Amino acid sequence: GQNIDQPTEMTATEGAIVQINCTYQTSGFNGLFWYQQHAGEAPTFLSYNVLDGLEEKGRFSSFLSRSKGYSYLLLKELQMKDSASYLCAVMGSNYQLIWGAGTKLIIKP
Amino acid sequence: IAGITQAPTSQILAAGRRMTLRCTQDMRHNAMYWYRQDLGLGLRLIHYSNTAGTTGKGEVPDGYSVSRANTDDFPLTLASAVPSQTSVYFCASSAIAGGPSDTQYFGPGTRLTVL
Repeated sequence: GQNIDQPTEMTATEGAIVQINCTYQTSGFNGLFWYQQHAGEAPTFLSYNVLDGLEEKGRFSSFLSRSKGYSYLLLKELQMKDSASYLCAVMGSNYQLIWGAGTKLIIKP
Repeated sequence: IAGITQAPTSQILAAGRRMTLRCTQDMRHNAMYWYRQDLGLGLRLIHYSNTAGTTGKGEVPDGYSVSRANTDDFPLTLASAVPSQTSVYFCASSAIAGGPSDTQYFGPGTRLTVL
């Protein structure tokens, strides 16, 4: 079967760094997406990885290892506004997205 | 209109009633999607449309129908609502269907409660 796993909840301190992991087992792979979703709002696109390695975009970076079926989202210099859920999604062989349940990130002052 | 709009924002519905959730995008995107989001579960695809005039079934299509008469609109209909359809419904669109880097953009969602 197809499966995306991410931790349910994480807590971090303002100004610190946090890494949110995502492991996947899917039939086919056409890229991995990270989305941010604030409570009561729509998901918004953060990053896309299709090749192994690190993609950096400001305070956010995303890493992919296709051989390990593994990705992480790295958030640096955490701000209170980063409190949100972070969704990992894999594009399978049929080009549809398979979504993880999301990781709720709580930032404490 | 900027991006994707959905209506209504929220709705309480009696079981057995028919309901249509509306979705409109102004980005001239070819592909559109309907998802439901339930606590503890990932977004689940209900139906999709790769281009105007075509639709397809997603992971959880039972009890739902869609149409795509034009590029901009993609309504989702619940023919006879049941309590298990209580959820938050998101409409999304992407520029092309089947593209590896194709990013999906989401509407604000409709919170539906079926009693």
